[in-house]
Amino acid sequence: SQKIEQNSEALNIQEGKTATLTCNYTNYSPAYLQWYRQDPGRGPVFLLLIRENEKEKRKERLKVTFDTTLKQSLFHITASQPADSATYLCALKGVSGNTPLVFGKGTRLSVIA
Amino acid sequence: EPEVTQTPSHQVTQMGQEVILRCVPISNHLYFYWYRQILGQKVEFLVSFYNNEISEKSEIFDDQFSVERPDGSNFTLKIRSTKLEDSAMYFCASTTQETQYFGPGTRLLVL
Repeated sequence: SQKIEQNSEALNIQEGKTATLTCNYTNYSPAYLQWYRQDPGRGPVFLLLIRENEKEKRKERLKVTFDTTLKQSLFHITASQPADSATYLCALKGVSGNTPLVFGKGTRLSVIA
Repeated sequence: EPEVTQTPSHQVTQMGQEVILRCVPISNHLYFYWYRQILGQKVEFLVSFYNNEISEKSEIFDDQFSVERPDGSNFTLKIRSTKLEDSAMYFCASTTQETQYFGPGTRLLVL
């Protein structure tokens, strides 16, 4: 069955450092991989999408890489701030428009001032 | 910026009662979804809806669940006879093709 693992449940990091979160998957060939941010009691908020034929995507302080050979994505937040503290979810999606997202359990990031 | 909205934000109900959760997707989106998240667990897919019919559903989406788009804007999830284990956050999402945009969720508590 499809499996998505995010490397750790929780990650603590000092303000200003780069946070790196890992997403590994098995038994799946996604067309897209997406990263979402989720704050407590709120819905997931879309951050970045990377396609299977893309290696890297950037948006402001965020960077995502996608290695379909390793079946892994890395999500980086540079110059991290306390406001970046949240749970970050990795989600995979097939190519069809109505294919549902398959989520990992998330990594809870705490940025300490 | 357009948003997915959901009502109510919280719902408390007795076991065995029916609940209807409401969503207004982003207006030009074509695909609609319901997901749920039990406290401390991952977000799980329930059902997808396209062209006024269910296109895919998960094992969770049994006969107690139904979805409807009654008036071209609202998208509803009905749970006919709630169980304790239905307690969760329920998220609606919509998309045109790639990125799914989520609503703020309805927190359902079944007592």
